[in-house]
Amino acid sequence: NAGVTQTPKFRVLKTGQSMTLLCAQDMNHEYMYWYRQDPGMGLRLIHYSVGEGTTAKGEVPDGYNVSRLKKQNFLLGLESAAPSQTSVYFCASRARTATDTQYFGPGTRLTVL
Amino acid sequence: AQSVTQPDIHITVSEGASLELRCNYSYGATPYLFWYVQSPGQGLQLLLKYFSGDTLVQGIKGFEAEFKRSQSSFNLRKPSVHWSDAAEYFCAVRAGNTPLVFGKGTRLSVIA
Repeated sequence: NAGVTQTPKFRVLKTGQSMTLLCAQDMNHEYMYWYRQDPGMGLRLIHYSVGEGTTAKGEVPDGYNVSRLKKQNFLLGLESAAPSQTSVYFCASRARTATDTQYFGPGTRLTVL
Repeated sequence: AQSVTQPDIHITVSEGASLELRCNYSYGATPYLFWYVQSPGQGLQLLLKYFSGDTLVQGIKGFEAEFKRSQSSFNLRKPSVHWSDAAEYFCAVRAGNTPLVFGKGTRLSVIA
């Protein structure tokens, strides 16, 4: 049981490049989330999904797209990276019941030059 | 919409001293409340959570938190801090099945 995994762990992009971050969970969770963490800002929600084939915007969705084609995977895409997207990205998942714990992945450190 | 305030950006305590990290939330009803810890370069680990019932909840690593409805607070405490407790601590709130909303975090430094 690996929990929540994220690929890659580190990435450096140039402005305008695109990339996809992959989040995978093996706990059969319905809900999945993408957050970004910046110094002094805590974690801010980018997008989330309440089930396969569904996605919704969070607090800071601009510049990102997501897809949930399979229940266990949640992809975060940057179509044209900007320096403002330099951050640490965390994926999380939890079961449907509101009292269930939310589990986090180890994070992806992204630098956009 | 719910929000979380952690008034202290950085706290320094001596090893063996007691610790209290403050958390205030804004929400009309009783939310679900959480404390997470993040060691440098790591992900987030759940320390404890409150849903209902006893307002004093025990967590891992000797931490506890008390929910005070009248003060809209959920402060985290530990009676004796160890050097390994140095980390960043996040309070978070959720209303029902909505996404978690996090505070900006409090960084804890522990000195000998």
